[in-house]
Amino acid sequence: DTAVSQTPKYLVTQMGNDKSIKCEQNLGHDTMYWYKQDSKKFLKIMFSYNNKELIINETVPNRFSPKSPDKAHLNLHINSLELGDSAVYFCASSQGAAGELFFGEGSRLTVL
Amino acid sequence: RKEVEQDPGPFNVPEGATVAFNCTYSNSASQSFFWYRQDCRKEPKLLMSVYSSGNEDGRFTAQLNRASQYISLLIRDSKLSDSATYLCVVANSASKIIFGSGTRLSIRP
Repeated sequence: DTAVSQTPKYLVTQMGNDKSIKCEQNLGHDTMYWYKQDSKKFLKIMFSYNNKELIINETVPNRFSPKSPDKAHLNLHINSLELGDSAVYFCASSQGAAGELFFGEGSRLTVL
Repeated sequence: RKEVEQDPGPFNVPEGATVAFNCTYSNSASQSFFWYRQDCRKEPKLLMSVYSSGNEDGRFTAQLNRASQYISLLIRDSKLSDSATYLCVVANSASKIIFGSGTRLSIRP
C-alpha cells in the first residue's frame, strides 16, 4: 500500500487552464504539505496543514488554493496556469510539524 | 541569504572514497535537522536525522555544530548506489521545514 499517493503523476496542459492535483496519505499523520520542485531542483514549501488547518502559507500566488477535506487528504487547485507553474509538485505528510516527511511520488506539471 | 545553504556540487568521486558534505543554516532557533536523499526523478526520502551528539548509521555519519550553525554528512567506503542528490533539511521553531538546494554526488567505478 502506498503511504502517500498523489494523482495525476503527469499533467500536460495549456496556459490559462485550471487543474487540480490530489493527495492522500494512509499513515495517520496529522500534518500534510505541498512542495514545488522547479527545474533547478530546488524544493520549496508552498503550504502546510495540521489537522485540516492551514499553518504555513508561503508567498504563493493566490491562483494556488489548497483544500483539506480531512486530515488524510490535501488537494491543490491551480487557476489560470502560467508557464512558470511548470514543475514537479510533491505532497508530503508527517506526524507533528517537525517529524520525518514522507513524500508522494510527485506530480509533474507541464504548462504549454 | 538563503535559510539553508549547500554546495550544489557535483561531487564526482571513485567507489570506495570518503566524501563529506556541509550545510549551513541561518536561523539560530532551528530545532530539528535531517539529511534526505533524492534519486533522479524520484521523491526525497529520509536518510538520517541529525542529533546534537552526532550519529552514525553504517557508513553514514551526521554531525551538528550549533555554534557555527552547520551540519555535515560523511559517507565512508562509497558505493555506486550512493549516487544521488543529498538534501539538508532544517525545521525551525515555527514548524517550518526548509530544504537546501541539494548536493549532487556521483560515484564512479
